Amino acid sequence: EAGVAQSPRYKIIEKRQSVAFWCNPISGHATLYWYQQILGQGPKLLIQFQNNGVVDDSQLPKDRFSAERLKGVDSTLKIQPAKLEDSAVYLCASSPGTSGSSGELFFGEGSRLTVL
Amino acid sequence: GEDVEQSLFLSVREGDSSVINCTYTDSSSTYLYWYKQEPGAGLQLLTYIFSNMDMKQDQRLTVLLNKKDKHLSLRIADTQTGDSAIYFCAERYSTLTFGKGTMLLVSP
Repeated sequence: EAGVAQSPRYKIIEKRQSVAFWCNPISGHATLYWYQQILGQGPKLLIQFQNNGVVDDSQLPKDRFSAERLKGVDSTLKIQPAKLEDSAVYLCASSPGTSGSSGELFFGEGSRLTVL
Repeated sequence: GEDVEQSLFLSVREGDSSVINCTYTDSSSTYLYWYKQEPGAGLQLLTYIFSNMDMKQDQRLTVLLNKKDKHLSLRIADTQTGDSAIYFCAERYSTLTFGKGTMLLVSP
C-alpha cells in the first residue's frame, strides 16, 4: 500500500515570496491533516479536512496560509507571503476517519521549507 | 487548553531499558500515542493506548498509563542503536496534540 506522498521535499525561498506544498493521502482515507513542525518542537496542527470540508483550521494563520482539498483527495497548502518564522517542516497526514478506530495518523516524509 | 510535556533528551547504552515519560493535561483524552521520528522522516506510530487501559505491551514496548496523574510512559526493553530517534507523546480528544519530543540516543 502506497503511503502519504508529499512534494517538494525541500524548498528554499526568500521572505515575501510564495510557496505551495502538495499532498496525496493514502487511498481511501477520508481525513487529511497539515501539520507544521518547527525545529526542536512537536508537530502543530494547521488544518484538518474531512473529505473536502474543513473540520478545524483554528490554528491556521489565515492572513498568509491557505489550504484546499477540492475533490476530497489531494491537498495543497500555500503560504503567501512567506515570513522567516515559517521555516519549518510541513507534514501531511491522513487517516481513515472511521468512528471507533484508534485514530492513527499516517504521515508523509514532510516538505522542509527554508525562508531566507 | 491541551498541553503535552516531555523530557527533551535520554541517553542509554545498547541492551539497557529506556523509559520515556510524558504528562498531559486533558483528562478527556480518548487515546494516547507514541510516535517515532527518525532524521529526515515523517512520524511513525509505535503504539497507542486507550484511556481506560493501564498498560499495553507490544513486543519490546510497554506503555503505562496513570490516568489519575495524567502520566504516560514508554519503556523500550533491550534498546538497540536503531532505536535512536525522537519519540513523541500525543493525546487525542478532538484533535491530536503532540509533545515537543524526547531525543533518545543509544550508544554501543
